[in-house]
Amino acid sequence: AQTVTQSQPEMSVQEAETVTLSCTYDTSENNYYLFWYKQPPSRQMILVIRQEAYKQQNATENRFSVNFQKAAKSFSLKISDSQLGDTAMYFCAFRADLGGQNFVFGPGTRLSVLP
Amino acid sequence: NAGVTQTPKFQVLKTGQSMTLQCAQDMNHEYMSWYRQDPGMGLRLIHYSVGAGITDQGEVPNGYNVSRSTTEDFPLRLLSAAPSQTSVYFCASRLSGQRLTDTQYFGPGTRLTVL
Repeated sequence: AQTVTQSQPEMSVQEAETVTLSCTYDTSENNYYLFWYKQPPSRQMILVIRQEAYKQQNATENRFSVNFQKAAKSFSLKISDSQLGDTAMYFCAFRADLGGQNFVFGPGTRLSVLP
Repeated sequence: NAGVTQTPKFQVLKTGQSMTLQCAQDMNHEYMSWYRQDPGMGLRLIHYSVGAGITDQGEVPNGYNVSRSTTEDFPLRLLSAAPSQTSVYFCASRLSGQRLTDTQYFGPGTRLTVL
């Protein structure tokens, strides 16, 4: 069974600074996707970024980038130039090619951006 | 284009009552799913469907029923509500259950409290 771990229940960062959220996962699959979702106080789940396991190049989306280490099964999210609107819960998620292709989510990290 | 819609947004039930959480999507997606979100546990899959007439259990199916009579709708039924079912419920959909590249869209969530 796949599992996703986020070891930081809460984090805070000063506005305009950089913060890194950690995620590790466990799987025996070779073909899979990894995701970071953002959940602001509105409760809406918003896709931030995704990474395909077979791609060695780390994904980037504007101020968001990942550090994907496949051998270590690590998938961290870096937020640069943090903004107040980045305050949210962040969930790391995994989806494999097999097993119904269902998502497995980590427990989340609550990020607070301080003015 | 409404995306994924859920009703109601909030609901309070007494133990033993039954109710149906509604979910609809207008994107002609084959795959739909229900998650529950509890503090410190991320999102856990309850049931999912890969197409009209086809449903399957996820990680935490006990106490919940689903049906998929149309492509658009995927209601979640609580037959006899229990306090352990107090949670936030999310419906999600994506184009296919088979392609890793398909983006998953989430509804706005339903906050359910069982007294």
